Amino acid sequence: GDSVTQMEGPVTLSEEAFLTINCTYTATGYPSLFWYVQYPGEGLQLLLKATKADDKGSNKGFEATYRKETTSFHLEKGSVQVSDSAVYFCALVQGAQKLVFGQGTRLTINP
Amino acid sequence: DAGVIQSPRHEVTEMGQEVTLRCKPISGHNSLFWYRQTMMRGLELLIYFNNNVPIDDSGMPEDRFSAKMPNASFSTLKIQPSEPRDSAVYFCASSLQGKGNTEAFFGQGTRLTVV
Repeated sequence: GDSVTQMEGPVTLSEEAFLTINCTYTATGYPSLFWYVQYPGEGLQLLLKATKADDKGSNKGFEATYRKETTSFHLEKGSVQVSDSAVYFCALVQGAQKLVFGQGTRLTINP
Repeated sequence: DAGVIQSPRHEVTEMGQEVTLRCKPISGHNSLFWYRQTMMRGLELLIYFNNNVPIDDSGMPEDRFSAKMPNASFSTLKIQPSEPRDSAVYFCASSLQGKGNTEAFFGQGTRLTVV
């Protein structure tokens, strides 16, 4: 079945560092891809999405590009802030099927 | 729209008691999902509904768990009897499926503690 694999966490960075969180997927068709973010004590919120190959999703300085050739959707940000500390989830959905999530990556940004 | 609304936000109950979690999805959405989140197992899909019909309940841990969606605006997740290992945060999410792949919107979650 469809699956999503994220890089192992936790990830700890200093403020203004460059961030990459890797995400790869396995799917039989052409899924849509998402990054969700979960701040402490809250539910998941959509951060960005891409619905077809080569699409780039972006929001709040974060970017991810849908790479069909490498089945990847890596999350990047050029300069992280303390407020970016959260758990990040990569996910896919295909057709009328359920959302499939990765295991989540906990990110901590130190001032 | 107020988003996905879950109640209660926190629930503390004794082992053996029945627990009912409630969810009101976003109006117009046709899919509803129940997830459980723990430190050990991360985010697990328990069950999802499409047009009020359960489509996949393979994630429901055991017969103690049951979920219903009597109409498009309400769903419940019931645990009877509850056990300490059921302690977790339970999330409900809804989405509009069918015309392209759309994102799911999550509620704030119910933090369940079984003592």
